Formats: sequence, structure tokens, C-alpha cells
Amino acid sequence: KQEVTQIPAALSVPEGENLVLNCSFTDSAIYNLQWFRQDPGKGLTSLLLIQSSQREQTSGRLNASLDKSSGRSTLYIAASQPGDSATYLCAVMEYNQGGKLIFGQGTELSVKP
Amino acid sequence: KAGVTQTPRYLIKTRGQQVTLSCSPISGHRSVSWYQQTPGQGLQFLFEYFSETQRNKGNFPGRFSGRQFSNSRSEMNVSTLELGDSALYLCASTPPGAGNTGELFFGEGSRLTVL
Repeated sequence: KQEVTQIPAALSVPEGENLVLNCSFTDSAIYNLQWFRQDPGKGLTSLLLIQSSQREQTSGRLNASLDKSSGRSTLYIAASQPGDSATYLCAVMEYNQGGKLIFGQGTELSVKP
Repeated sequence: KAGVTQTPRYLIKTRGQQVTLSCSPISGHRSVSWYQQTPGQGLQFLFEYFSETQRNKGNFPGRFSGRQFSNSRSEMNVSTLELGDSALYLCASTPPGAGNTGELFFGEGSRLTVL
């Protein structure tokens, strides 16, 4: 049974710092991996999607990597800003499981001015 | 292009009642998925519909049901509400077509409180 774990559960950093969020999954047979951002009481905003054949994706100050063999993904945020404060969620989709994501518990990020 | 629209955004019910939530996917998207988010269990998959057919189902009791209409709009229903059904219910849609990345686009959710 696929399980997704995110460490740490919470993280507080000063503005301007570069940071890494971690995600691990137990079964490497994934179709894709997505990173989302969730602000309090809101829905999910898709940040980056990495297909199983890809190693990384970049969008602005965000870079996500995927290592299927070790069951790990990282989300790198460069030059953090207070507006980056939110909960970041990692989720995997398995083959032939369209529409079904298996989520980690999230990392709550706080960026202090 | 409008995003995924969920209604109502907030609602309060009492135990034993039933509730229906609605989701309109992004135009052109034919797959709709539903998720439940609670502080204790996190985000959990409920079910997925494509072309009016349920293709995938999570591990929830039969009180949770859904359907999809010919215009791809979807509804989910929870009968005989329990206190533990209090949650944020999120809907997501997926673009169609070969080579589909499987990317999901989420709505803002419906916040259900059961008293």
C-alpha cells in the first residue's frame, strides 16, 4: 500500500533563506508526483508536476526533483518570502489510478519578515 | 478560463441529515475527483468520475455517494451525517486526451460542519 510522508511537519525560516521540503513514498511505481500549496481554509494550488520519466521541474523560485529509485522528492524554494507561508503538500498518482492522488500530511511553512 | 467551481462554500448541518455538494469542472475537463480533508486524516480520495461513470473509489462507507452529469458537472451526497463528516470537501478536475499528465486542478472546497 502506497504511503507518502513529508518531513518536517512544520518549518519556520527568516525571509530570504533558501529551503528544502522533503517527501518520500513507499512504492516507486508512480505515474507522477505533484506538489501543491494550500493557504488556510482554501483549496489546493498546483505548483509543480513531475512525470515518472522526469527528474525535475522548475517554476520561478521553485524547483522540484524526483528520485523514483529511492522513493524521494524534494521541493526547493529559493529566496523565501513571507508570501510563501502556507502548507505544502506532496502527492503521488499510481498507474491506472487516474484522478486518485495519495497525499502526504504536508509541511506547514512560516517565513518571518 | 474559469477554474473548478464548488458550491456551497460553507454549510452547517445536524447529525442524521443529508447533504449534497456540487462541483463544476474546468471547461473541457471530463474527469472529476472528490477528496475529504480533515485535520486528523489529511486529504483522502473519495471517488472519481469520467463520462458519467465512477471509475475509482476510495475507502469510505456507502453513505458517501456521487454522480456525474452529461455536462461533466458532479455532485456528491453524504447521507445520515455524523460528527466525523465535518471536513473540507475538495473537488478536482483533469484534462482529457492522450498523453495526459494526470495533473489535477482543485476548487476552493465546500466546508461542511456537522453539529
